Amino acid sequence: DMKVTQMPRYLIKRMGENVLLECGQDMSHETMYWYRQDPGLGLQLIYISYDVDSNSEGDIPKGYRVSRKKREHFSLILDSAKTNQTSVYFCASSLGWANYAEQFFGPGTRLTVL
Amino acid sequence: GQQVQQSPASLVLQEGENAELQCNFSSTATRLQWFYQRPGGSLVSLLYNPSGTKHTGRLTSTTVTKERRSSLHISSSQTTDSGTYFCAMVDNSAGNKLTFGIGTRVLVRP
Repeated sequence: DMKVTQMPRYLIKRMGENVLLECGQDMSHETMYWYRQDPGLGLQLIYISYDVDSNSEGDIPKGYRVSRKKREHFSLILDSAKTNQTSVYFCASSLGWANYAEQFFGPGTRLTVL
Repeated sequence: GQQVQQSPASLVLQEGENAELQCNFSSTATRLQWFYQRPGGSLVSLLYNPSGTKHTGRLTSTTVTKERRSSLHISSSQTTDSGTYFCAMVDNSAGNKLTFGIGTRVLVRP
């Protein structure tokens, strides 16, 4: 059963604290993604990872960094979280990045920064 | 400007009615993907439709790449179809980047 998992599902942090969001996939997908979803804006791409230690900025990378040390895991890190980073964060993965590369999404992490 | 535009913004249906959702996208799109999201839920891929017509259950997607448009037809709607439908274009020249529209909110009343 193909799956993208995210931990934690819900998180409340104070402004200035560090945040670590984890994503895992069991499909041996090369490419993984982090998006955030805000009301009225749809989903916006934060980072793409093409494989281990091969990461690229998406549309809104400012305030975020990522880490991919194993193909099956992709982490999103917020150093010193800000209130405007309150959002729902989705991780996704795909088999590749060219040709047929349908993206599969995790269940999301709802982050609140107070 | 906005690269993916969806219409209508919202839609209210009586159970059993059909609906058609529209998506217009920029010329850099190489593929289209339709997603469904229940309130508070994750994104579920409905149809991955590069071009032409594809069916799954009561859903039919028709994409005309040259005209930069795609539609999602829901037939015989059910209350469980309520949620938000997103169209997303894939731009392979940008590393398989998905650019989402802001969605169409669908409410199906019993």
